[in-house]
Amino acid sequence: GNSVTQMEGPVTLSEEAFLTINCTYTATGYPSLFWYVQYPGEGLQLLLKATKADDKGSNKGFEATYRKETTSFHLEKGSVQVSDSAVYFCALSPFSGYSTLTFGKGTMLLVSP
Amino acid sequence: GAVVSQHPSRVICKSGTSVKIECRSLDFQATTMFWYRQFPKQSLMLMATSNEGSKATYEQGVEKDKFLINHASLTLSTLTVTSAHPEDSSFYICGGGLAGVKADTQYFGPGTRLTVL
Repeated sequence: GNSVTQMEGPVTLSEEAFLTINCTYTATGYPSLFWYVQYPGEGLQLLLKATKADDKGSNKGFEATYRKETTSFHLEKGSVQVSDSAVYFCALSPFSGYSTLTFGKGTMLLVSP
Repeated sequence: GAVVSQHPSRVICKSGTSVKIECRSLDFQATTMFWYRQFPKQSLMLMATSNEGSKATYEQGVEKDKFLINHASLTLSTLTVTSAHPEDSSFYICGGGLAGVKADTQYFGPGTRLTVL
């Protein structure tokens, strides 16, 4: 079946540090890949997505590249801010046009001033 | 765009009572609605998937008679927790799915914190 594996957190960084959150997946075919962010006490917000190999999703300084050869979709940001503190979820849908998602367990990011 | 609202944001109820949570897609038509449950510091657990006008499909282990889902229109889905007990206390999140080229993307509501005393 489909699965998503994320690095365990929390990830603790100082402001302006470089961020990488690893995500790997298992799926047959050609899944779409997503990063969602959840701020404390809130629902999930779509951060970025990629629908095919070598696509790069980007938003708010975050980016992730769909790597089919390594089945990965790592999230990166060059300079984090305190306001980026949240839980980040990697997810996949098995193919384009299908909205049921499989989520990773989430990675908490804590950014200190 | 693609905004989803949930109401209420927080609810406290007594054991044995029923609670209804509403999920509305405000600026799009959600052909599919998803209901999730999230435990503290854990990922989202899909409870059920519903399509407008048809019965919901429940995930294994989810009691359909306890968690009643109605998807009466393309903009409204409701989750009713019947005869709630303390173990039902959780954070419930709905997600709306689009049709067409963006069908693989879900847009989530802000969540409802249910506390059963």
